[in-house]
Amino acid sequence: NAGVMQNPRHLVRRRGQEARLRCSPVKGHSHVYWYRQLPEEGLKFMVYLQKENIIDESGMPKERFSAEFPKEGPSILRIQQVVRGDSAAYFCASSPQGGYGYTFGSGTRLTVV
Amino acid sequence: QKEVEQDPGPLSVPEGAIVSLNCTYSNSAFQYFMWYRQYSRKGPELLMYTYSSGNKEDGRFTAQVDKSSKYISLFIRDSQPSDSATYLCAMSAEGNNRLAFGKGNQVVVIP
Repeated sequence: NAGVMQNPRHLVRRRGQEARLRCSPVKGHSHVYWYRQLPEEGLKFMVYLQKENIIDESGMPKERFSAEFPKEGPSILRIQQVVRGDSAAYFCASSPQGGYGYTFGSGTRLTVV
Repeated sequence: QKEVEQDPGPLSVPEGAIVSLNCTYSNSAFQYFMWYRQYSRKGPELLMYTYSSGNKEDGRFTAQVDKSSKYISLFIRDSQPSDSATYLCAMSAEGNNRLAFGKGNQVVVIP
């Protein structure tokens, strides 16, 4: 029973490029969360999604960032026109229903050069 | 004032010692309190989960919540080198699925 799978594990992008981060939740989990961990900072909530719906995106920057969790396939966090300040570890978590027993993935480490 | 404060200073202890970690918070609506353990280059894993005030014990780990002081603690007894990791406190309000995390404490247990 695989846990939360995130890919790629490491992603390098030049300034101005697009970054796509993928998250496959635990099988049977329909709730997905994205968090960002900046150097020397704690995890910061970004967005909470259920299948085909964004439930809470209050932590998402207003521009350049978007997230989706389609009916089929993984959840995608998309960052357009990346800047150096986007360099961070991005973690996805899932749960079977809304609640606090999250399972986190190992993260995608984005480096913008 | 940040919602959750956790002194991120690294902590080194000898094997077998008691590790004591704590967080303070400002949001009185928080009802769910968690401690996560994060090994280097890995995702956080849930260690302890407490609802409202009180104590909870699980093996060598004890979590305490004092809502009147807005203060939570984690104690690790008989610490082992395998306990070396970063420990993050997290909390959430009723009906709110987003977690507010502290910055984390790096703990090193020296054999």
